[in-house]
Amino acid sequence: AQSVTQLDSQVPVFEEAPVELRCNYSSSVSVYLFWYVQYPNQGLQLLLKYLSGSTLVESINGFEAEFNKSQTSFHLRKPSVHISDTAEYFCAVSRGSNYKLTFGKGTLLTVNP
Amino acid sequence: DVKVTQSSRYLVKRTGEKVFLECVQDMDHENMFWYRQDPGLGLRLIYFSYDVKMKEKGDIPEGYSVSREKKERFSLILESASTNQTSMYLCASSLAQVTMLQYGYTFGSGTRLTVV
Repeated sequence: AQSVTQLDSQVPVFEEAPVELRCNYSSSVSVYLFWYVQYPNQGLQLLLKYLSGSTLVESINGFEAEFNKSQTSFHLRKPSVHISDTAEYFCAVSRGSNYKLTFGKGTLLTVNP
Repeated sequence: DVKVTQSSRYLVKRTGEKVFLECVQDMDHENMFWYRQDPGLGLRLIYFSYDVKMKEKGDIPEGYSVSREKKERFSLILESASTNQTSMYLCASSLAQVTMLQYGYTFGSGTRLTVV
């Protein structure tokens, strides 16, 4: 079965610092990768996704993720975080013809002033 | 704006009660899902449905059942609530097959259930 591993359960950073949230998936053909964000007391929202083409994908609020097939990774990065980025971030994968998402356990990003 | 609406934000129920959690989507999505979210465990799939009256078990179906009589509504039922079912419950919906990839899942805001 496909699996998704988020290596850090919590990541505390200071405002304006860079951040990387790590995600690895079990190797498979035709994977599709997603990052979701959950702000406090809300449901999950789609942040960005990789389906095909350019391996670097970006969101509208400055996050980016790079699909690395050789390392089976899809790490999420932001060069300078804001207090408002404090949230839980979930990596998810869909494989081949199975169009269901498998979620990682989440990484809680806390941005401190 | 498209929406997945969960009927209750907070619920408190007694052990042994039958509990209904309701979810409605207005996007004409084929697929609907119920997850529970617990600290350190992430999202775990309870049940999903890919069509009216169709359902499939997820990873943790024990103690739960579901009902989908209409396309827009997907209900999660706790037959006899227990304290270990205290959790955040999230409903989601999506388009079917490859079109899911373009838009992903749309989630509701969640229902925080406490069983006492």
